[in-house]
Amino acid sequence: AQKITQTQPGMFVQEKEAVTLDCTYDTSDPSYGLFWYKQPSSGEMIFLIYQGSYDQQNATEGRYSLNFQKARKSANLVISASQLGDSAMYFCAMREGADSSYKLIFGSGTRLLVRP
Amino acid sequence: GAVVSQHPSWVICKSGTSVKIECRSLDFQATTMFWYRQFPKQSLMLMATSNEGSKATYEQGVEKDKFLINHASLTLSTLTVTSAHPEDSSFYICSAIGRAYEQYFGPGTRLTVT
Repeated sequence: AQKITQTQPGMFVQEKEAVTLDCTYDTSDPSYGLFWYKQPSSGEMIFLIYQGSYDQQNATEGRYSLNFQKARKSANLVISASQLGDSAMYFCAMREGADSSYKLIFGSGTRLLVRP
Repeated sequence: GAVVSQHPSWVICKSGTSVKIECRSLDFQATTMFWYRQFPKQSLMLMATSNEGSKATYEQGVEKDKFLINHASLTLSTLTVTSAHPEDSSFYICSAIGRAYEQYFGPGTRLTVT
């Protein structure tokens, strides 16, 4: 079974509008971490936001927020006030707490295109 | 923030030759580094975990004799693709675990085997 599922291969959003990128995960470990990374065409992986499984509040970092719904095992990324520079691939990833090697498991990614 | 570099950023090699890719943590020591490969329009797939001073741990399906990993110091891990074939052409990305257990990624190396 997929550990991390991103069901949207591609998304469009109008500049200045908000967009939600979906991510669901599957784990039986009570301790885990969820990450979102942005990968522009240059290939570098840019860390955006992190949510721990025990965190009481949803993570926020500037225009990025994570809509963490633990019971549904979803960790959607919300980008507010989209900018043209937000056009990129976005990957959701999970690190399971029982695995002390800190390995990340990545989803298949969502390509976001911001329209002017 | 923490910086991880990779060298080279791109390389073209002939089939049957070997190529070495370096991954360095520039301003922190990393006992653990990871190597990923990414085919076009696909996700990152973990190849192996590189531990300083010990043998790398390879993921299932990754040939350890083909992808040699050496983590000789706390700031350097190398990936050597031996006897490269065109199907080894890919984007190789390393990452390093920092002090707060965050994972910092290198800029990637694009390998083309002709």
